[in-house]
Amino acid sequence: DIQMTQSPSFLSASVGDRVTINCKASQNINKYLNWYQQKLGEAPKRLIYNTNNLQTGIPSRFSGSGSGTDYTLTISSLQPEDFATYFCLQHNSFPWTFGGGTKLELK
Amino acid sequence: QVQLQQSGAELAKPGSSVKISCKASGYTFTSYDISWIKQTTGQGLEYIGYINTGSGGTYYNEKFKGKATLTVDKSSSTAFMQLSSLTPEDTAVYYCARRAYWGQGTLVTVSS
Repeated sequence: DIQMTQSPSFLSASVGDRVTINCKASQNINKYLNWYQQKLGEAPKRLIYNTNNLQTGIPSRFSGSGSGTDYTLTISSLQPEDFATYFCLQHNSFPWTFGGGTKLELK
Repeated sequence: QVQLQQSGAELAKPGSSVKISCKASGYTFTSYDISWIKQTTGQGLEYIGYINTGSGGTYYNEKFKGKATLTVDKSSSTAFMQLSSLTPEDTAVYYCARRAYWGQGTLVTVSS
């Protein structure tokens, strides 16, 4: 199985900050990498698909980049509603595997 | 609009089985696979497998073979996942998903 190592596990930031979250795959995943946001008690929401494609309806302050084994989610200017948990998903090969998650907290 | 509506929370005893449903609406059901995902606090998110809603063909993560059984009822646009021989380690929230769209999750609690 492909291992997805996500960092950091916890991130403390302020409104207006620029933050980055990383996922590293144990092998090349050919940009088949999605990013999700999850708030407490809710289902995950897809933000980015296939590395850098913004899901319809998601604000443009969210962006994704990467290739090979290394991928990044960037939030350009944090808004109050962005404090949540984020995780990545590789869907290059089965079984699909998830990163361990990043909890983004208000500083 | 695309919606996946899952069945309600389950409380089950060790050794028993539960069957979770995922009713799809807002699109042609047989055009997209349905995946199932397990979420726990300890293990995070785990991919269980998927079902081809048109053919009924399935893929299971090796870890969930023998634990999960995926089926569909095309007449009602509903996907099902049966979990068998339940243990406390099966206590989790289970989601069905179709690409960007996820159900609201079903909490399964296994306790005597």
